[in-house]
Amino acid sequence: SQQGEEDPQALSIQEGENATMNCSYKTSINNLQWYRQNSGRGLVHLILIRSNEREKHSGRLRVTLDTSKKSSSLLITASRAADTASYFCATVAGGTSYGKLTFGQGTILTVHP
Amino acid sequence: GAGVSQTPSNKVTEKGKYVELRCDPISGHTALYWYRQSLGQGPEFLIYFQGTGAADDSGLPNDRFFAVRPEGSVSTLKIQRTERGDSAVYLCASSLGGGLETQYFGPGTRLLVL
Repeated sequence: SQQGEEDPQALSIQEGENATMNCSYKTSINNLQWYRQNSGRGLVHLILIRSNEREKHSGRLRVTLDTSKKSSSLLITASRAADTASYFCATVAGGTSYGKLTFGQGTILTVHP
Repeated sequence: GAGVSQTPSNKVTEKGKYVELRCDPISGHTALYWYRQSLGQGPEFLIYFQGTGAADDSGLPNDRFFAVRPEGSVSTLKIQRTERGDSAVYLCASSLGGGLETQYFGPGTRLLVL
């Protein structure tokens, strides 16, 4: 079963604009991760944020986590056409000692050149 | 170094047939995961191996699905009496240890059951 929901389901922007995707989840977590998937195949890990962290940055990516609202957001700044992909959040449940991931349904991002 | 590889890339089979999907994890990675992704959905967990043993198989949908990792490296996901609903992309991931390390995903095997 899917842990969370992502919003929006699809996002279309112009190159240079920022893209924000949101993720909500239902149960307590150990950490939350964001992945990118091109063409429905292999997933690429982007960033991990732990339950005791509120914000993390990696290059053009900024992730926030609000455990009180059970939500996270991924911001991609200065988007590029190459950022076109599906983006998934995934959680590792609290109390888990291994990395069993529960994924959301994803946001399809299209960046127009 | 080489990433996670999966074979075959695509598999077409007929309803009722048996299929095997193979995963070669990154060398030295002790943890291996299988996920299944249906069209338009996020991946769903199937099974987790730590070394040779299946530490968590709670995601296997029924007893037609079985996975092995006999030498703690390559893993095979086996599906008996395939059904049309088994059609999906089957993803394998590995991580260095058995904890919460980053998982590296393979390109997946797209299974189509006719």
